[in-house]
Amino acid sequence: ETGVTQTPRHLVMGMTNKKSLKCEQHLGHNAMYWYKQSAKKPLELMFVYNFKEQTENNSVPSRFSPECPNSSHLFLHLHTLQPEDSALYLCASSPGNSGLAGAGELFFGEGSRLTVL
Amino acid sequence: QKEVEQNSGPLSVPEGAIASLNCTYSDRGSQSFFWYRQYSGKSPELIMFIYSNGDKEDGRFTAQLNKASQYVSLLIRDSQPSDSATYLCAVLNAGNNRKLIWGLGTSLGVNP
Repeated sequence: ETGVTQTPRHLVMGMTNKKSLKCEQHLGHNAMYWYKQSAKKPLELMFVYNFKEQTENNSVPSRFSPECPNSSHLFLHLHTLQPEDSALYLCASSPGNSGLAGAGELFFGEGSRLTVL
Repeated sequence: QKEVEQNSGPLSVPEGAIASLNCTYSDRGSQSFFWYRQYSGKSPELIMFIYSNGDKEDGRFTAQLNKASQYVSLLIRDSQPSDSATYLCAVLNAGNNRKLIWGLGTSLGVNP
């Protein structure tokens, strides 16, 4: 059981579809993250939100659009994706982005496995 | 290019042995070092982090940090089959632009 929940767990979409991934954290954390995990690549940071404000956009294509309505919820809106976007998308939260642990003490959700046909 | 390097493995150890997982990093300004465990089909889970030179112990796990050599390791004592997973090393740099840099992970198999 994790304090970070993601839905859906699996998603198959065509290149012209629009879908959204949802993340909710029940840990009272101030920072939330979207990561992409692909085979044979290190975890790729996509977006960071601190206190609902986006503080990092790691050169992510505009076909990925994040939304953070409050400190507990994070969305990733997807549209016009490419097959190479197929991956595991992980949401994470952390207590904050400062201190010795800072952005390294991450609590991950179970991930959304995305397949783009 | 700031990098974190790990031997991809697979590393295979018998049950009850000590498993030693290693990680090197290129950025001398790195401040904190993290070990995550990821079971197949699951998400990463933080095991422990270290920021001072030397050893840090937590149960069967010991993290070792040597900043001069830019080297961090994770020792797992009395390895169990349930320790079989991929272990990810992540390094947090200092300064205003704090980024977590990830390694590719080492796959560990513990044989009963």
